[in-house]
Amino acid sequence: GENVEQHPSTLSVQEGDSAVIKCTYSDSASNYFPWYKQELGKGPQLIIDIRSNVGEKKDQRIAVTLNKTAKHFSLHITETQPEDSAVYFCAAHQTGTASKLTFGTGTRLQVTL
Amino acid sequence: DAGVIQSPRHEVTEMGQEVTLRCKPISGHDYLFWYRQTMMRGLELLIYFNNNVPIDDSGMPEDRFSAKMPNASFSTLKIQPSEPRDSAVYFCASSLERGREQYFGPGTRLTVT
Repeated sequence: GENVEQHPSTLSVQEGDSAVIKCTYSDSASNYFPWYKQELGKGPQLIIDIRSNVGEKKDQRIAVTLNKTAKHFSLHITETQPEDSAVYFCAAHQTGTASKLTFGTGTRLQVTL
Repeated sequence: DAGVIQSPRHEVTEMGQEVTLRCKPISGHDYLFWYRQTMMRGLELLIYFNNNVPIDDSGMPEDRFSAKMPNASFSTLKIQPSEPRDSAVYFCASSLERGREQYFGPGTRLTVT
């Protein structure tokens, strides 16, 4: 099955700085890679996603890059704000009969003033 | 749309009791997923349905867990008998299509004493 590794597990940045979270996956057939943000006491919320036919996608301060050859993808948050503080999860979607998302272990991002 | 709805939000029960968690997916979504989240194991997929039919239940921990989807707008996850190690946050998510973004509910925090 798919295995997704996520780093770092915790990340602290100052407001205004950039934050980068990295993930690797094992199944080369995986073709969809979403990122979720989870705030305390809430369910994960999709913030951005990318498909395997695209190398980069951007939405305002958030961008995701995908390197299919190396099987890794990253989340980039620029100009971080205190409200960006949360736990972020990457995931990879397997194709075929095992059509499901496998999640990384999460990164706790703390944006300090 | 109100999003994915889960009830109850919190459940405290004694070991050995039956627990039933409920989920209403987003209208029109054909896929429904049940996840469990713990500190030790992260987000785990328990089971998912497509058009009310269970497709993959390989993540269900053991026979004490069962899930049903009697119609397109309702699903239950039942634990009988419950054990302290079942304590976790259980999320329901729904998706329009296979390999598309999943939308999570707010979760049910289950505590088994």
